[in-house]
Amino acid sequence: DVVMTQSPLSLPVTLGQPASISCRSSQSLVHSNGNTYLSWFHQRPGQSPRRLIYKVSNRDSGVPDRFSGSGSGTDFTLKISRLEAEDVGVYYCMQGTHWPPLTFGGGTKVEIK
Amino acid sequence: QVHLVESGGGMVQPGGSLRLSCAASGFTFSDYGMHWVRQAPGKGLQWVANIWYDGSNPCYADSVKGRFTISRDNSKNTLYLQMDSLRAEDTAVYYCVKDPHSGYFDYWGQGTLVTVSS
Repeated sequence: DVVMTQSPLSLPVTLGQPASISCRSSQSLVHSNGNTYLSWFHQRPGQSPRRLIYKVSNRDSGVPDRFSGSGSGTDFTLKISRLEAEDVGVYYCMQGTHWPPLTFGGGTKVEIK
Repeated sequence: QVHLVESGGGMVQPGGSLRLSCAASGFTFSDYGMHWVRQAPGKGLQWVANIWYDGSNPCYADSVKGRFTISRDNSKNTLYLQMDSLRAEDTAVYYCVKDPHSGYFDYWGQGTLVTVSS
């Protein structure tokens, strides 16, 4: 199984400041079809997860442009350019290249400093 | 607008069974693969099972293989998860999740809580 490792576990950030979350996979996520199936999800307290980014860097409809995804191979990053209050919660990366099983990172909790 | 509404959760004793349902609307259900993903209390996300758009090729996480069965009824726009031989470690919120045509998990339901306890 592909292991997804996120860091940090917890990320206190001042409102208006940037935030960055790292996600590393135990093997390359480049699929034989050339796509890299790495997604990012945000889960607010008491809510369902919501997908923010798919295939490394594509923002979902309605996702603010302060969110960006980057990376390749085994190393990926989610960046928030200026943290807003609604951005608190837990962020998960997920790989869909080598499955079953589809696997998630352990999560990064973003909170206001 | 896509809506996924899970039901069927509740409390059950170890060894018991439950059947979860997910009613889908706002899209052509029979065109898309579907998944179940779970989240134990205070924990992260774990993929449970997947089924193709036409009901073929079900696949499962090792932790539920042989105990859980995913199915769908495209005439009723409904996804199911039959859970047998339940264990305490199956306690979680179970989410019904839709796939887009390319990629995974573009829409999630609100979840239904399953508690396995004596």
